[in-house]
Amino acid sequence: EDQVTQSPEALRLQEGESSSLNCSYTVSGLRGLFWYRQDPGKGPEFLFTLYSAGEEKEKERLKATLTKKESFLHITAPKPEDSATYLCAVQRPSGTYKYIFGTGTRLKVLA
Amino acid sequence: GAVVSQHPSRVICKSGTSVKIECRSLDFQATTMFWYRQFPKQSLMLMATSNEGSKATYEQGVEKDKFLINHASLTLSTLTVTSAHPEDSSFYICSASSPGYTDTQYFGPGTRLTVL
Repeated sequence: EDQVTQSPEALRLQEGESSSLNCSYTVSGLRGLFWYRQDPGKGPEFLFTLYSAGEEKEKERLKATLTKKESFLHITAPKPEDSATYLCAVQRPSGTYKYIFGTGTRLKVLA
Repeated sequence: GAVVSQHPSRVICKSGTSVKIECRSLDFQATTMFWYRQFPKQSLMLMATSNEGSKATYEQGVEKDKFLINHASLTLSTLTVTSAHPEDSSFYICSASSPGYTDTQYFGPGTRLTVL
């Protein structure tokens, strides 16, 4: 069965304390893996798309990497404004282009 | 990035009434739109997939007569919650994509529905 698991479920960091969020997946083929940020009461905001193992994408303090089994979202020197829920989703190679979402990681960065 | 809007952002209605939520892609043509529902502190639950000009495909367990979806143009999809009841209260979010152009789904800001 296709599955996406994110860990940890919640994470508290001090400002400047770097860390990584994990998204592991078991799907029959992978069309793409997507990272989003969601603030309370808002829709998810697109961060990155990764298509193949070894691929990396960066944006400000965030860096996403992909292997054949998992993806990491590295947060370098986080700031309080990075506090949000980070969602990972995978897309299968054929059919309806639906996402399979993970349950998210709730990140809190303390000043 | 692509911009998707939703209207209204918040709606309160009485039990038994119908509510329509609009989802618009503002700067690209969305051949496919998705409707999600999200409960507090949970991830997004896909309700249905709609392709422009054709009938929506509903996920298992989602009542198609309860949640009417129309995707009449490449920039507009609507979700109508018919005869709403308190258990329909939730956060509804749409997304838009254009497979073949971009596989990425761009999400709207969401609509908070409260049924009294």
